[in-house]
Amino acid sequence: QITLKESGPTLVKPTQTLTLTCTFSGFSLSTSGVGVGWIRQPPGKALEWLALIYWNDDKRYSPSLKSRLTITKDTSKNQVVLTMTNMDPVDTATYYCSHRVSGWNCFDYWGQGTLVTVSS
Amino acid sequence: SYVLTQPPSVSVAPGKTARITCGGNNIGSKSVHWYQQKPGQAPVLVIYYDSDRPSGIPERFSGSNSGNTATLTISRVEAGDEADYYCQVWDSTSDHVVFGGGTKLTVL
Repeated sequence: QITLKESGPTLVKPTQTLTLTCTFSGFSLSTSGVGVGWIRQPPGKALEWLALIYWNDDKRYSPSLKSRLTITKDTSKNQVVLTMTNMDPVDTATYYCSHRVSGWNCFDYWGQGTLVTVSS
Repeated sequence: SYVLTQPPSVSVAPGKTARITCGGNNIGSKSVHWYQQKPGQAPVLVIYYDSDRPSGIPERFSGSNSGNTATLTISRVEAGDEADYYCQVWDSTSDHVVFGGGTKLTVL
């Protein structure tokens, strides 16, 4: 059974760096084809993809946010970490991590999401 | 960058068929995936690779993709299908995931 859970601060100040951790079970990020993605959703708005990391440590980022994002994995801990620098109130959103369908860049298992508010 | 266009809303009566479109330049050359999201919940993958259903998704959900339009079809619509639906592709020219703007399905 695949599960994912996001953790991190619920409130960050403008200009701070956000660090979110995705802790998962039921699969290994060392297995060929496996990937974990991050997607966010501002309140009342659409889904926005942020980043994707593959089993081979290949990484992809949203072009519009690439300069602010870093995604890493710790295979031994079954964790993926996303950092986003220079946070702004427009970054207020629910942040989800998700499991990539092997062979396809889509997501079949999602965490419950964590709401991050950016405010001074 | 690649853009996916969805109608903001679609309404359908119970028992009827709902069709939600996703427009994109030559989208027929890409693989399209669809998600259902109910209020306060994480998205659920309902269709991948244009028309495949993950296990547990009812056969009432189907997908097609050709030319500049992909379509999610929900047959025999039920009240429980009321949700937001998002299409998604992988843009291979720039190596990134693209989501559509979402469509709110209302069951009358």
